[in-house]
Amino acid sequence: AQTVTQSQPEMSVQEAETVTLSCTYDTSESNYYLFWYKQPPSRQMILVIRQEAYKQQNATENRFSVNFQKAAKSFSLKISDSQLGDTAMYFCAFMKHPNFGNEKLTFGTGTRLTIIP
Amino acid sequence: NAGVTQTPKFRVLKTGQSMTLLCAQDMNHEYMYWYRQDPGMGLRLIHYSVGEGTTAKGEVPDGYNVSRLKKQNFLLGLESAAPSQTSVYFCASSGRQGPFTGELFFGEGSRLTVL
Repeated sequence: AQTVTQSQPEMSVQEAETVTLSCTYDTSESNYYLFWYKQPPSRQMILVIRQEAYKQQNATENRFSVNFQKAAKSFSLKISDSQLGDTAMYFCAFMKHPNFGNEKLTFGTGTRLTIIP
Repeated sequence: NAGVTQTPKFRVLKTGQSMTLLCAQDMNHEYMYWYRQDPGMGLRLIHYSVGEGTTAKGEVPDGYNVSRLKKQNFLLGLESAAPSQTSVYFCASSGRQGPFTGELFFGEGSRLTVL
């Protein structure tokens, strides 16, 4: 079974600064997908960024980027120029390479990020 | 854009009562999921469905039943509620059309309290 570990329960950073959220995972799979989801106070989960394990290039979405270290099984999220709207709970998640019936997400326990004005 | 809709949003139950949470999606997605979210534990998969008429157990299925009679609906039932089932429940769906993305689309959550 896969496990996802987020070792930082809470973090805070000043507005406009850069912050990095950590995630490690354990799997015997060689091909898989990793995700970061954001859960703002409204509670609805939103996909932030996705990484495919067979791609060496780190994914980037505007101010959000990842540092994917496959050998170390590490998948950190960097938020640049942080904004007040980035305040949320962030979840790291793992999915095996999709086969029929295999498309399930395993989540970490989350990191609560607060952006300070 | 409705997306994934959960009803009810809030419910208080007494121990031993039964209830059903309804999830409806309008994106013609094949896959649907029920997760529960508890403080310090992230989201844990209860049951999921890979298509109409199919269901499968997730990580924490005990005490819950599900049904997927129609492609757009996924029902989560509690036959005899227990205080340990106090949680926020999330429904999600994902599709298999087009290039695979793996993205799950979530509802807004349903907060259930069992006294």
